Amino acid sequence: SAVISQKPSRDICQRGTSLTIQCQVDSQVTMMFWYRQQPGQSLTLIATANQGSEATYESGFVIDKFPISRPNLTFSTLTVSNMSPEDSSIYLCSVEEVRENNYGYTFGSGTRLTVV
Amino acid sequence: GEDVEQSLFLSVREGDSSVINCTYTDSSSTYLYWYKQEPGAGLQLLTYIFSNMDMKQDQRLTVLLNKKDKHLSLRIADTQTGDSAIYFCAEWAGGYQKVTFGTGTKLQVIP
Repeated sequence: SAVISQKPSRDICQRGTSLTIQCQVDSQVTMMFWYRQQPGQSLTLIATANQGSEATYESGFVIDKFPISRPNLTFSTLTVSNMSPEDSSIYLCSVEEVRENNYGYTFGSGTRLTVV
Repeated sequence: GEDVEQSLFLSVREGDSSVINCTYTDSSSTYLYWYKQEPGAGLQLLTYIFSNMDMKQDQRLTVLLNKKDKHLSLRIADTQTGDSAIYFCAEWAGGYQKVTFGTGTKLQVIP
């Protein structure tokens, strides 16, 4: 399965600042996904990033707050802009891949963000 | 939207079997997954099952699917302390539909 390197693994940031999270995959993938996991909660999809097109955002998430780049088939970034304490979460990137002729989703190790 | 529900917590003794349950509402679910999240880590795909299957076994893991009742379970045989984690079930209808995750079940294994 694909290996995903995500960094930083954790960060503590001041409110009002921005943090860019990087996701590097060891193989070319068409679709990359960014999720948020708030404390004690399940995963919520932020957006889907396809190379060469604008990211598609889910309801409740906007590009100005969570700009995403997808410059090639192995890399993506998510920026959390103008942070507030409510943005404190784990952010995970994920890729879709074919396993044994079926689809599965592989996740990075996540970025634990604390906004103070 | 679609909904996936799990019990929040399960505690078992080391060596016993664990059964983690999940219910979902999307009748068009095609793939159903079980993921494991250890503290401070991302999600690891444990196993998955097609909606046209009733059971899938993979070493210590057994997945049972009751499509009529929209009920999915994960049985871990001979549970070990290393199995302590949060387990998420997830469903996907395929195509451009997004994956929906359950609320997660925290499994505590008592030595």
